[in-house]
Amino acid sequence: DIVMTQSPDSLAVSLGERATINCKSSQSVLSSSNNKIYLAWYQQKAGQPPKLLIYWASTRESGVPDRFSGSGSGTDFTLTISSLQAEDVALYYCQQYYTSPYTFGPGTKVDIK
Amino acid sequence: EVQLVESGGGLVQPGGSLRLSCVASGFAFSTYWMHWVRQVPGKGLVWVSHVNSAGTTTTYADSVKGRFTISRDNAKNTLYLQMNSLRAEDTAVYYCVREKWTFDYWGQGTLVTVSS
Repeated sequence: DIVMTQSPDSLAVSLGERATINCKSSQSVLSSSNNKIYLAWYQQKAGQPPKLLIYWASTRESGVPDRFSGSGSGTDFTLTISSLQAEDVALYYCQQYYTSPYTFGPGTKVDIK
Repeated sequence: EVQLVESGGGLVQPGGSLRLSCVASGFAFSTYWMHWVRQVPGKGLVWVSHVNSAGTTTTYADSVKGRFTISRDNAKNTLYLQMNSLRAEDTAVYYCVREKWTFDYWGQGTLVTVSS
Protein backbone atom coordinates (compact mmCIF):
# COMPACT_ATOMS: atom_id res chain seq x y z
CA ASP A 1 0.00 0.00 0.00
CA ILE A 2 1.11 3.58 -0.62
CA VAL A 3 1.54 5.37 2.71
CA MET A 4 0.74 9.07 2.82
CA THR A 5 2.25 11.32 5.47
CA GLN A 6 1.54 14.98 6.19
CA SER A 7 3.31 17.75 8.07
CA PRO A 8 2.73 19.56 10.26
CA ASP A 9 -0.04 17.88 12.26
CA SER A 10 -1.47 21.33 12.91
CA LEU A 11 -0.67 24.96 12.29
CA ALA A 12 -2.02 28.33 13.32
CA VAL A 13 -1.70 31.22 10.91
CA SER A 14 -2.75 34.85 11.17
CA LEU A 15 -5.57 36.05 8.96
CA GLY A 16 -4.22 37.09 5.58
CA GLU A 17 -0.98 35.14 6.02
CA ARG A 18 0.21 32.09 4.10
CA ALA A 19 -0.42 28.53 5.23
CA THR A 20 1.62 25.66 3.82
CA ILE A 21 0.88 21.97 4.25
CA ASN A 22 3.21 19.22 3.11
CA CYS A 23 2.37 15.72 1.97
CA LYS A 24 4.65 12.84 1.09
CA SER A 25 3.87 9.54 -0.58
CA SER A 26 5.88 6.37 0.08
CA GLN A 27 6.20 5.79 -3.66
CA SER A 28 5.66 7.79 -6.81
CA VAL A 29 2.10 8.56 -7.81
CA LEU A 30 3.13 9.81 -11.24
CA SER A 31 1.76 7.76 -14.09
CA SER A 32 4.23 7.19 -16.89
CA SER A 33 1.41 6.41 -19.32
CA ASN A 34 -0.27 9.84 -19.15
CA ASN A 35 2.27 11.92 -17.16
CA LYS A 36 -0.38 12.80 -14.58
CA ILE A 37 0.16 12.97 -10.81
CA TYR A 38 -2.58 11.10 -8.96
CA LEU A 39 -2.65 13.33 -5.87
CA ALA A 40 -5.64 15.20 -4.46
CA TRP A 41 -6.30 17.58 -1.56
CA TYR A 42 -9.50 17.76 0.48
CA GLN A 43 -10.84 20.20 3.04
CA GLN A 44 -13.08 18.98 5.85
CA LYS A 45 -14.86 21.42 8.10
CA ALA A 46 -16.35 20.36 11.43
CA GLY A 47 -19.46 18.23 10.99
CA GLN A 48 -19.19 18.15 7.20
CA PRO A 49 -17.97 15.63 4.63
CA PRO A 50 -14.68 16.29 2.87
CA LYS A 51 -14.66 18.67 -0.08
CA LEU A 52 -12.36 18.24 -3.06
CA LEU A 53 -10.00 21.20 -3.49
CA ILE A 54 -7.21 20.07 -5.81
CA TYR A 55 -6.66 17.09 -8.12
CA TRP A 56 -3.84 16.05 -10.46
CA ALA A 57 -1.68 17.67 -7.73
CA SER A 58 -2.29 21.20 -8.98
CA THR A 59 -5.68 21.48 -10.72
CA ARG A 60 -8.16 23.49 -8.70
CA GLU A 61 -11.68 22.06 -8.53
CA SER A 62 -14.40 24.29 -9.97
CA GLY A 63 -15.54 26.90 -7.46
CA VAL A 64 -12.48 26.63 -5.22
CA PRO A 65 -10.99 30.07 -4.44
CA ASP A 66 -7.70 30.78 -6.18
CA ARG A 67 -5.95 31.35 -2.83
CA PHE A 68 -5.71 27.54 -2.74
CA SER A 69 -2.94 26.05 -4.83
CA GLY A 70 -1.22 22.70 -5.10
CA SER A 71 2.25 21.83 -6.25
CA GLY A 72 4.79 19.07 -6.18
CA SER A 73 6.03 16.10 -8.13
CA GLY A 74 7.12 12.53 -7.61
CA THR A 75 6.55 11.93 -3.95
CA ASP A 76 6.52 15.39 -2.33
CA PHE A 77 3.54 17.72 -2.52
CA THR A 78 2.36 21.01 -1.04
CA LEU A 79 -0.98 22.70 -0.49
CA THR A 80 -0.70 26.45 -0.08
CA ILE A 81 -3.36 28.85 1.14
CA SER A 82 -1.94 32.18 0.04
CA SER A 83 -4.00 34.43 2.31
CA LEU A 84 -5.79 32.61 5.11
CA GLN A 85 -9.43 33.49 5.63
CA ALA A 86 -11.58 32.67 8.65
CA GLU A 87 -13.61 30.19 6.60
CA ASP A 88 -10.46 28.17 5.84
CA VAL A 89 -10.31 26.78 9.38
CA ALA A 90 -10.55 23.05 8.74
CA LEU A 91 -8.74 19.76 8.45
CA TYR A 92 -6.87 19.19 5.21
CA TYR A 93 -6.11 15.75 3.78
CA CYS A 94 -3.98 14.64 0.87
CA GLN A 95 -4.85 11.45 -0.99
CA GLN A 96 -3.31 9.30 -3.67
CA TYR A 97 -5.63 7.82 -6.26
CA TYR A 98 -2.88 6.17 -8.29
CA THR A 99 -3.63 2.68 -7.06
CA SER A 100 -5.99 0.80 -4.78
CA PRO A 101 -6.21 1.03 -1.81
CA TYR A 102 -6.69 4.75 -2.27
CA THR A 103 -4.93 6.08 0.79
CA PHE A 104 -5.22 9.37 2.65
CA GLY A 105 -2.77 11.29 4.75
CA PRO A 106 -3.56 11.66 8.47
CA GLY A 107 -4.69 15.25 8.08
CA THR A 108 -3.43 18.71 9.03
CA LYS A 109 -5.50 21.01 11.21
CA VAL A 110 -5.43 24.68 10.23
CA ASP A 111 -6.47 27.31 12.78
CA ILE A 112 -6.33 31.08 13.14
CA LYS A 113 -3.51 32.49 15.26
CA GLU B 1 -27.26 19.59 -8.41
CA VAL B 2 -25.36 16.44 -7.51
CA GLN B 3 -26.73 14.78 -4.39
CA LEU B 4 -25.69 11.60 -2.60
CA VAL B 5 -27.91 10.59 0.31
CA GLU B 6 -26.86 7.70 2.51
CA SER B 7 -29.10 5.70 4.81
CA GLY B 8 -29.13 2.44 6.72
CA GLY B 9 -26.70 3.22 9.51
CA GLY B 10 -27.42 2.52 13.13
CA LEU B 11 -26.48 0.48 16.17
CA VAL B 12 -25.69 -3.19 15.61
CA GLN B 13 -24.17 -5.87 17.81
CA PRO B 14 -20.79 -7.41 17.02
CA GLY B 15 -21.24 -10.17 14.46
CA GLY B 16 -24.35 -8.54 13.06
CA SER B 17 -25.17 -7.17 9.63
CA LEU B 18 -26.28 -3.90 8.08
CA ARG B 19 -26.94 -2.74 4.55
CA LEU B 20 -26.15 0.84 3.67
CA SER B 21 -27.80 2.57 0.73
CA CYS B 22 -26.87 5.71 -1.16
CA VAL B 23 -29.36 7.31 -3.51
CA ALA B 24 -27.78 9.48 -6.18
CA SER B 25 -29.38 12.32 -8.11
CA GLY B 26 -28.39 15.22 -10.32
CA PHE B 27 -26.00 13.28 -12.54
CA ALA B 28 -25.80 10.22 -14.79
CA PHE B 29 -25.21 7.70 -12.01
CA SER B 30 -24.71 4.75 -14.36
CA THR B 31 -21.61 6.33 -15.92
CA TYR B 32 -19.60 6.88 -12.76
CA TRP B 33 -17.48 4.65 -10.57
CA MET B 34 -18.61 4.85 -6.95
CA HIS B 35 -16.88 4.32 -3.62
CA TRP B 36 -17.48 3.97 0.10
CA VAL B 37 -15.09 5.77 2.45
CA ARG B 38 -15.34 5.63 6.23
CA GLN B 39 -14.21 7.84 9.06
CA VAL B 40 -14.10 7.07 12.74
CA PRO B 41 -15.40 10.23 14.46
CA GLY B 42 -12.44 12.47 15.19
CA LYS B 43 -10.08 10.35 13.08
CA GLY B 44 -8.90 10.17 9.48
CA LEU B 45 -10.41 8.96 6.21
CA VAL B 46 -10.18 5.33 5.12
CA TRP B 47 -11.19 4.04 1.70
CA VAL B 48 -13.40 0.95 1.97
CA SER B 49 -14.55 -0.21 -1.45
CA HIS B 50 -15.25 0.72 -5.06
CA VAL B 51 -17.50 -0.50 -7.85
CA ASN B 52 -17.19 0.33 -11.53
CA SER B 53 -19.97 1.97 -13.50
CA ALA B 54 -21.50 -1.31 -14.70
CA GLY B 55 -21.26 -3.02 -11.33
CA THR B 56 -19.05 -5.76 -12.72
CA THR B 57 -15.77 -4.91 -11.00
CA THR B 58 -15.28 -4.35 -7.28
CA THR B 59 -12.33 -3.84 -4.95
CA TYR B 60 -12.07 -3.80 -1.18
CA ALA B 61 -9.75 -2.71 1.58
CA ASP B 62 -8.10 -5.70 3.23
CA SER B 63 -9.82 -4.85 6.51
CA VAL B 64 -13.28 -5.54 5.04
CA LYS B 65 -12.55 -8.11 2.35
CA GLY B 66 -14.77 -11.16 2.70
CA ARG B 67 -17.18 -9.36 5.03
CA PHE B 68 -18.45 -6.38 3.00
CA THR B 69 -20.03 -6.42 -0.46
CA ILE B 70 -20.49 -3.35 -2.62
CA SER B 71 -23.11 -3.32 -5.34
CA ARG B 72 -25.25 -0.93 -7.34
CA ASP B 73 -28.60 -0.75 -9.08
CA ASN B 74 -28.26 1.69 -11.95
CA ALA B 75 -32.00 1.56 -12.66
CA LYS B 76 -32.61 2.89 -9.14
CA ASN B 77 -29.57 5.21 -9.03
CA THR B 78 -28.57 3.48 -5.83
CA LEU B 79 -25.27 2.27 -4.37
CA TYR B 80 -25.20 -0.35 -1.62
CA LEU B 81 -22.80 -1.68 0.97
CA GLN B 82 -23.74 -4.97 2.60
CA MET B 83 -21.77 -5.31 5.82
CA ASN B 84 -21.63 -8.70 7.55
CA SER B 85 -19.71 -10.03 10.56
CA LEU B 86 -19.42 -6.51 11.90
CA ARG B 87 -16.74 -5.69 14.45
CA ALA B 88 -16.27 -2.86 16.91
CA GLU B 89 -13.53 -1.45 14.67
CA ASP B 90 -16.07 -1.00 11.85
CA THR B 91 -17.70 1.78 13.88
CA ALA B 92 -17.49 4.88 11.71
CA VAL B 93 -19.33 7.35 9.53
CA TYR B 94 -19.67 5.80 6.07
CA TYR B 95 -19.58 8.16 3.09
CA CYS B 96 -20.85 7.42 -0.38
CA VAL B 97 -18.47 9.03 -2.88
CA ARG B 98 -18.54 9.67 -6.61
CA GLU B 99 -15.37 9.30 -8.62
CA LYS B 100 -14.47 11.69 -11.39
CA TRP B 101 -10.67 11.37 -11.63
CA THR B 102 -10.82 11.28 -7.85
CA PHE B 103 -13.49 11.69 -5.18
CA ASP B 104 -15.36 14.79 -6.35
CA TYR B 105 -18.70 14.49 -4.53
CA TRP B 106 -19.37 13.10 -1.06
CA GLY B 107 -22.62 12.36 0.73
CA GLN B 108 -23.25 13.59 4.26
CA GLY B 109 -22.52 10.13 5.65
CA THR B 110 -24.34 7.61 7.81
CA LEU B 111 -23.10 6.51 11.23
CA VAL B 112 -22.59 2.83 11.94
CA THR B 113 -22.01 1.86 15.57
CA VAL B 114 -21.01 -1.70 16.41
CA SER B 115 -21.44 -2.33 20.10
CA SER B 116 -23.06 -4.73 22.50
